[in-house]
Amino acid sequence: AQSVTQLGSHVSVSEGALVLLRCNYSSSVPPYLFWYVQYPNQGLQLLLKYTTGATLVKGINGFEAEFKKSETSFHLTKPSAHMSDAAEYFCASSNFGNEKLTFGTGTRLTIIP
Amino acid sequence: EPEVTQTPSHQVTQMGQEVILRCVPISNHLYFYWYRQILGQKVEFLVSFYNNEISEKSEIFDDQFSVERPDGSNFTLKIRSTKLEDSAMYFCASSLTGGEFTEAFFGQGTRLTVV
Repeated sequence: AQSVTQLGSHVSVSEGALVLLRCNYSSSVPPYLFWYVQYPNQGLQLLLKYTTGATLVKGINGFEAEFKKSETSFHLTKPSAHMSDAAEYFCASSNFGNEKLTFGTGTRLTIIP
Repeated sequence: EPEVTQTPSHQVTQMGQEVILRCVPISNHLYFYWYRQILGQKVEFLVSFYNNEISEKSEIFDDQFSVERPDGSNFTLKIRSTKLEDSAMYFCASSLTGGEFTEAFFGQGTRLTVV
């Protein structure tokens, strides 16, 4: 069975600092991996996804994530945080694309001015 | 930009009552989903729906739950007799196809509170 673990339910970073949100997966086969973002009063929006091929994936709003099979990780990073990045971020996995997503508990990102 | 819309944004209901959560998926999408998130817990898959039938459901989706696409635009989740533990945020999603190269679009969620 798949599972996704997000370390840190709350992360605070200063504006302009590096954003690092951690995600580890557990799966018997290499999964497809996703990061979603939820802004207040909005739906979940796809930031980026890894299916096959290049392990460094670039997404919207300057975010990227690297699939590391040896570490079973798919951490989300952004070099320089912006106030508009404040939101809840969810890591998710799937074996067959979007038909069934397994989510982590989410990480609330706060940006300190 | 097309979006998935859910109504209502917040619903309060008494234990034992029936509740229907409504979703309007993106118009040309073919796959539809319901997820829920109990406060402080993970977002959990409930059910997927394609070609007017359930394609997959989780253990959570028991006989108290049902889904329907009553017309060409709406996708509903019904809970027949709500329990306190059904209190959660319910997310509807849709995707054009079910493959890994498509994106699931999520609605803003309906917060269900059972009292």
